Amino acid sequence: KQEVTQIPAALSVPEGENLVLNCSFTDSAIYNLQWFRQDPGKGLTSLLLIQSSQREQTSGRLNASLDKSSGRSTLYIAASQPGDSATYLCAVRPGSEKLVFGKGTKLTVNP
Amino acid sequence: GAGVSQSPSNKVTEKGKDVELRCDPISGHTALYWYRQRLGQGLEFLIYFQGNSAPDKSGLPSDRFSAERTGESVSTLTIQRTQQEDSAVYLCASSSRPIYGYTFGSGTRLTVV
Repeated sequence: KQEVTQIPAALSVPEGENLVLNCSFTDSAIYNLQWFRQDPGKGLTSLLLIQSSQREQTSGRLNASLDKSSGRSTLYIAASQPGDSATYLCAVRPGSEKLVFGKGTKLTVNP
Repeated sequence: GAGVSQSPSNKVTEKGKDVELRCDPISGHTALYWYRQRLGQGLEFLIYFQGNSAPDKSGLPSDRFSAERTGESVSTLTIQRTQQEDSAVYLCASSSRPIYGYTFGSGTRLTVV
């Protein structure tokens, strides 16, 4: 059974810091991995999607890496801003089956 | 529209009443998921539709919950005899091919009083 773990559960940093959020999964047989952002009381916004054959994806200040063999992904946020404060969720897609989510990392960026 | 649309955005209902939540997926998306998120909790899988295949209902918490989808169009999630523990945000997502990832709607916030 695929399980997804996100560490840390919560993170508080001063504005301007670079930071890394971690995601690990137990079964390396995944189709792709997706990072989402969720603001309080809102739905999920897709940030980055990495296919199983890819090593990383970049969008602006965000960079996500994937090491499928070791079951790990990281989300790197450069020069963090207060507007980055949100919960970040990692989800893996095992083939055509349902997405499996981690419990998320709650990020607070302090001005 | 270009995104996944859910309605209503907010619903307050009395305990014991039935409610129906609607999800309009992106046109052409064959896969559709329903998730539930209680306050301060993670996402809880409810049900998954993939094309014309039999839906994966393994996440439905009780027989008070049911969902329908006709073809690759609108889906409705019905909760009968609502209980206070049903209060949550109900999120819908859709996808075309696996390589394109999933797009989520903004959710329906259900409050049972």
